Amino acid sequence: DVKVTQSSRYLVKRTGEKVFLECVQDMDHENMFWYRQDPGLGLRLIYFSYDVKMKEKGDIPEGYSVSREKKERFSLILESASTNQTSMYLCASSSSGSSYNEQFFGPGTRLTVL
Amino acid sequence: DAKTTQPPSMDCAEGRAANLPCNHSTISGNEYVYWYRQIHSQGPQYIIHGLKNNETNEMASLIITEDRKSSTLILPHATLRDTAVYYCIVRVAGAGGTSYGKLTFGQGTILTVHP
Repeated sequence: DVKVTQSSRYLVKRTGEKVFLECVQDMDHENMFWYRQDPGLGLRLIYFSYDVKMKEKGDIPEGYSVSREKKERFSLILESASTNQTSMYLCASSSSGSSYNEQFFGPGTRLTVL
Repeated sequence: DAKTTQPPSMDCAEGRAANLPCNHSTISGNEYVYWYRQIHSQGPQYIIHGLKNNETNEMASLIITEDRKSSTLILPHATLRDTAVYYCIVRVAGAGGTSYGKLTFGQGTILTVHP
């Protein structure tokens, strides 16, 4: 069974803290994505990566960075967390070899910044 | 990628067919229609996709109009577990090019299945 796992389901951090959200996939997928989901705004793409050490900005990259040192792992970093980064964060992966582009999502991490 | 329009919410009785519409009047010839759904507190899940022919799998059927400007996702016998937000997405197939397969999610349709 294909699987995308995220390090935490729930996380509470304080303003100014550095936050790491980890995502691991076991499908040998080339592409990995980080989204955030907020009520009324839907899912918005933060960053994506199409290969190890490669990254591309999504629609809302400000305040975030990413790291992909290994193919199976994609990390989202909040250098200095702020209250407006309180959100649900979703990781996804997909295969470059897939002709129809199915993305597999993790269960999400609900981050609260106090 | 073409923009899609979906009703914000729909209701359906358990055991009946749920028909979820999507308008995509600016769709291009090489763009596919994808459907995902998101059950509460879970990540989105792929359902089905199609180009111009009707498609069916174990989860649902996808009917695309001849002019491809709209489509309908059909859940033939809705159950309470089908209560979710359903997203219609239009994009070019494959993960090539600078987009690398990224998806743009709209607001979707909240489907509520009642007993």
